[in-house]
Amino acid sequence: RKEVEQDPGPFNVPEGATVAFNCTYSNSASQSFFWYRQDCRKEPKLLMSVYSSGNEDGRFTAQLNRASQYISLLIRDSKLSDSATYLCVVASTDSWGKFQFGAGTQVVVTP
Amino acid sequence: GAGVSQSPRYKVAKRGQDVALRCDPISGHVSLFWYQQALGQGPEFLTYFQNEAQLDKSGLPSDRFFAERPEGSVSTLKIQRTQQEDSAVYLCASSLGRVYTDTQYFGPGTRLTVL
Repeated sequence: RKEVEQDPGPFNVPEGATVAFNCTYSNSASQSFFWYRQDCRKEPKLLMSVYSSGNEDGRFTAQLNRASQYISLLIRDSKLSDSATYLCVVASTDSWGKFQFGAGTQVVVTP
Repeated sequence: GAGVSQSPRYKVAKRGQDVALRCDPISGHVSLFWYQQALGQGPEFLTYFQNEAQLDKSGLPSDRFFAERPEGSVSTLKIQRTQQEDSAVYLCASSLGRVYTDTQYFGPGTRLTVL
C-alpha cells in the first residue's frame, strides 16, 4: 500500500463549477502537507501548504483531518487554467523532510 | 531570481551506457533532493543532500545509481549501465533550510529515455 493515495480522476468540471478531492496518508508521523500542481510535461509547483486549521488561498481551500489522516483540496469557480494534475505531498519528521507524493489527481475544466 | 535548473533537459541513451544528470539549485539553498517520476505517477524520492553531505540515499533503486554534491551546491546524479526501466523524468528540488516544513522548488527535470 502506498503511503499517499489519491483518486487519479480525471475529474471533468464545467467552467465555473466547484470540484473537491481528497488524499489519504498512512504515516502517522506526517507533519507537513502540501498541494502541488503539475502541468503536462512540466515540473511540480507549489500550490499551497496545508495547515491544521485549514487555509484558503483565493479560490482554493485546503483542509487537514489528522484523525482520519486525509487532506482535501477544493477549487471554487473553476477556470480553464485550473486544468492540471494536483499532487498531494506529505513530509514526516522521521524522514529528513523528503516528500512523499501521491500519484496525482487529474482535473479537466471544460468550457 | 533564478530557479532550479537541470541539464540536459532530454537524454537518450542506449542500454548499457552511463549517463550524468546535473542540477543547479537555487543559490543558498541548503537542501537538495532528487526524485524519479515515471509516466502517470507522482515523483518518487531518490536521495537527499544537506550541503555536501548525502544524508539519505534510501530511494536509489540500485547500486548503478550514484549522486554527489561535492561543494554543497551543484549536484550530479549518475546512472551506470542504464536499463530500459531507468527511463523516467529525473527531478531535482532544493529548499532553503533543513526542516520538513520547507517548500521544495523543483527544476524542469531531465527526461531520460533508454533504448
